[in-house]
Amino acid sequence: QVQLQESGPGLVKPSETLSLTCTVSGGSISPHFWSWIRQPPGKGLEWIGYIYYRGSTNYNPSLKSRATMSLHTSTNHFSLSLSSVTAADAAVYYCARLDGAVGYFDLWGRGTPVAVSS
Amino acid sequence: DIQMTQSPSSLSASVGDRVTITCRANQSINIYLNWYQQKPGQAPKLLISAASTLQTGVPSRFSGSGSGTDFTLAISSLQPEDFATYHCQQSHNTLYTFGQGTKLEI
Repeated sequence: QVQLQESGPGLVKPSETLSLTCTVSGGSISPHFWSWIRQPPGKGLEWIGYIYYRGSTNYNPSLKSRATMSLHTSTNHFSLSLSSVTAADAAVYYCARLDGAVGYFDLWGRGTPVAVSS
Repeated sequence: DIQMTQSPSSLSASVGDRVTITCRANQSINIYLNWYQQKPGQAPKLLISAASTLQTGVPSRFSGSGSGTDFTLAISSLQPEDFATYHCQQSHNTLYTFGQGTKLEI
């Protein structure tokens, strides 16, 4: 079955850029929407954005244009870059598949924790 | 943004109890409301979509209802594996937002 796996550095310095990758195995990136969602320690879930398999994107305005998502269909993965990180960006980051019609997240990765510290 | 408010924030219950969790939107979202279950150290799992559609493999003791601004997740007879945190999420527009979560404890 389709599985998602996040990867990336567990620690990022303040003001630097966080880069994460989600590898899709057991299925294809096409023809789906793919999202990133994060969860700060002890808090609720925050949707970061989505990318469609054709490359169009939509981001949460609360991130003030710091987020960029990209697709790599040949290697079946997609990525998130978050620039100018601060302590408020420390969270568990999940990648997930988004149903574009109803808008639910039906498949999730296990999540990767990211800390922000110098 | 559409703000989602869950109540209660935490809930103590026992095996066999019937419990309900409420999710309220600050504007009408029709039936575009989804529920997730999250256990410690795990990713959320989709339980119910479009307010009341149970996902394949989810036990029938779970049910969802509501439309407009008020929604309910009900668990008819709590099992030990149901103790978890439950999240609602609106998909009325593509600025997806979640409730703050409800922790269901023994």
